[in-house]
Amino acid sequence: DTAVSQTPKYLVTQMGNDKSIKCEQNLGHDTMYWYKQDSKKFLKIMFSYNNKELIINETVPNRFSPKSPDKAHLNLHINSLELGDSAVYFCASQRSGANVLTFGAGSRLTVL
Amino acid sequence: GIQVEQSPPDLILQEGANSTLRCNFSDSVNNLQWFHQNPWGQLINLFYIPSGTKQNGRLSATTVATERYSLLYISSSQTTDSGVYFCAVGVSGGGADGLTFGKGTHLIIQP
Repeated sequence: DTAVSQTPKYLVTQMGNDKSIKCEQNLGHDTMYWYKQDSKKFLKIMFSYNNKELIINETVPNRFSPKSPDKAHLNLHINSLELGDSAVYFCASQRSGANVLTFGAGSRLTVL
Repeated sequence: GIQVEQSPPDLILQEGANSTLRCNFSDSVNNLQWFHQNPWGQLINLFYIPSGTKQNGRLSATTVATERYSLLYISSSQTTDSGVYFCAVGVSGGGADGLTFGKGTHLIIQP
């Protein structure tokens, strides 16, 4: 069983469209994150959710909105996609206190 | 925020060689992890090591928290060790704070 799963793995879309990436973890972790990896491989945190509460919201455009229906899921919705949004988006999770971070396989978003 | 610097940025070695990767960070942390991103893009946690030394097979890591650095040792390199190695640090209160990543060391092991 995959511990942290993301869908879709690849996403190609046009500028201006709205898209979502889904993430689910079956590890029983109570904190989930979204990270963005740019073309230079730099990883930057976007959001974290702890028990369905937003804990961190870095300087991310408000076109990006995380949605967590329960503590096992953290979806990422992106409105009005721009060329600069092209990147690999990683979902991750951890258990509070344990601190070992487990990543999903990533979702490669290409905006044309 | 915390600054994380990794060195070297790139490293090319022959199979069988040993290597040391370094991670310096700018402030006190209580969370430090090493990750390997393989050529297929998957991020694998290697060590959770806010202090001390750990070993796992051919890999070992040491963190000297008081001097704000960590080292990752790879011995008897294999081609499957190729990829990008990231150091990530954080100051975790209740465990909900995210990690700040360095820019990584891109390692290529040639057969």
